[in-house]
Amino acid sequence: DTAVSQTPKYLVTQMGNDKSIKCEQNLGHDTMYWYKQDSKKFLKIMFSYNNKELIINETVPNRFSPKSPDKAHLNLHINSLELGDSAVYFCASSHLSSSGGYEQYFGPGTRLTVT
Amino acid sequence: GENVEQHPSTLSVQEGDSAVIKCTYSDSASNYFPWYKQELGKRPQLIIDIRSNVGEKKDQRIAVTLNKTAKHFSLHITETQPEDSAVYFCAASLNSGYSTLTFGKGTMLLVSP
Repeated sequence: DTAVSQTPKYLVTQMGNDKSIKCEQNLGHDTMYWYKQDSKKFLKIMFSYNNKELIINETVPNRFSPKSPDKAHLNLHINSLELGDSAVYFCASSHLSSSGGYEQYFGPGTRLTVT
Repeated sequence: GENVEQHPSTLSVQEGDSAVIKCTYSDSASNYFPWYKQELGKRPQLIIDIRSNVGEKKDQRIAVTLNKTAKHFSLHITETQPEDSAVYFCAASLNSGYSTLTFGKGTMLLVSP
């Protein structure tokens, strides 16, 4: 069973286009996230949603708009794509583990290439 | 906000050697410190974590230590194997259901047979 899934896995598009990435988790977690991993492998939080509500928006350009239709889904829509948006985007969800820590589970990632 | 520094950026060891990766954090309120392993082209996966009420935690060949006073935490891998080769990330956060992880910049570990 795939715990956190994302589609598509690869996305190649031209500058100026609008695209969406979908994320679904079947773990029953309340909190979901989007992270961006750049070419240098640096992982940075973009958004955090708890039970469909936006909790954190980390100074991401407003061309990026997350949408959570229900707590199992967190989609990312990107308008007017720019070259600098090329990266791997990871969705994640979190829960309180038996060790007492809020573990985050990551999806497989979507590699976005803007040409 | 939180800032996490991670060293070294690359680490090459021979199979069977030990590897140590060190991180520091800036926000004394952080109380949850997970470590993730990311193989090439794969997702980050949690390998071990530690909360601030614990100084050390071990899971087979992997151990993590935490020094709250100095705001340091480290990952120790003993008896390294080629399959340990990957990028390792440390992270810090407040241990709550809403918190986000602040990651270090990663350490590429290469274990040579």
